Amino acid sequence: AQSVTQLDSQVPVFEEAPVELRCNYSSSVSVYLFWYVQYPNQGLQLLLKYLSGSTLVKGINGFEAEFNKSQTSFHLRKPSVHISDTAEYFCAVTPSLNFNKFYFGSGTKLNVKP
Amino acid sequence: DVKVTQSSRYLVKRTGEKVFLECVQDMDHENMFWYRQDPGLGLRLIYFSYDVKMKEKGDIPEGYSVSREKKERFSLILESASTNQTSMYLCASSPTGGGPTEAFFGQGTRLTVV
Repeated sequence: AQSVTQLDSQVPVFEEAPVELRCNYSSSVSVYLFWYVQYPNQGLQLLLKYLSGSTLVKGINGFEAEFNKSQTSFHLRKPSVHISDTAEYFCAVTPSLNFNKFYFGSGTKLNVKP
Repeated sequence: DVKVTQSSRYLVKRTGEKVFLECVQDMDHENMFWYRQDPGLGLRLIYFSYDVKMKEKGDIPEGYSVSREKKERFSLILESASTNQTSMYLCASSPTGGGPTEAFFGQGTRLTVV
């Protein structure tokens, strides 16, 4: 079985500061990993994904994430956040043996303050 | 671009009503999903369909049913709505062929049962 843990339910940060949103997963098989962003009253939009290759993945809006297989982590980072990054962020995995199913974390609300 | 369209952004229904939430995707994806999103709980899978007329229960199917008569359309049915089904409902789709990829989401339907 797969599970995804986002340890921080809320992360407050000042504008132009760096941020890291943490994601850890548990799986008995290898997985593919995703980060999504959700703005208020919207659906989920893909930020970035790790399928294979380089463990450092760059996404939209200046975000990046690093896959660490030994730590079973896929933390999301941005060196300098903007007010417009205020949103909820979800980490998700899909198992390599059945990549038709997606498992989501409980989400992290990023609140960027001026 | 893939488009997943949910028929309503906001719905208010009365307890005991039969409620239909409709979702249409335009990219010929085999897989379609219905998730429920509640604060602090992330996304929980209600039902999953991998082909026309094929469905699988997700983590929280109780009180819900689904219908997939055509490949592009996946309907979620609340047989007798209850107040504890007040939530945000998200539809998603993904392809089966071509290797792993992300799920594509609709804009969500915020359902209030009074």
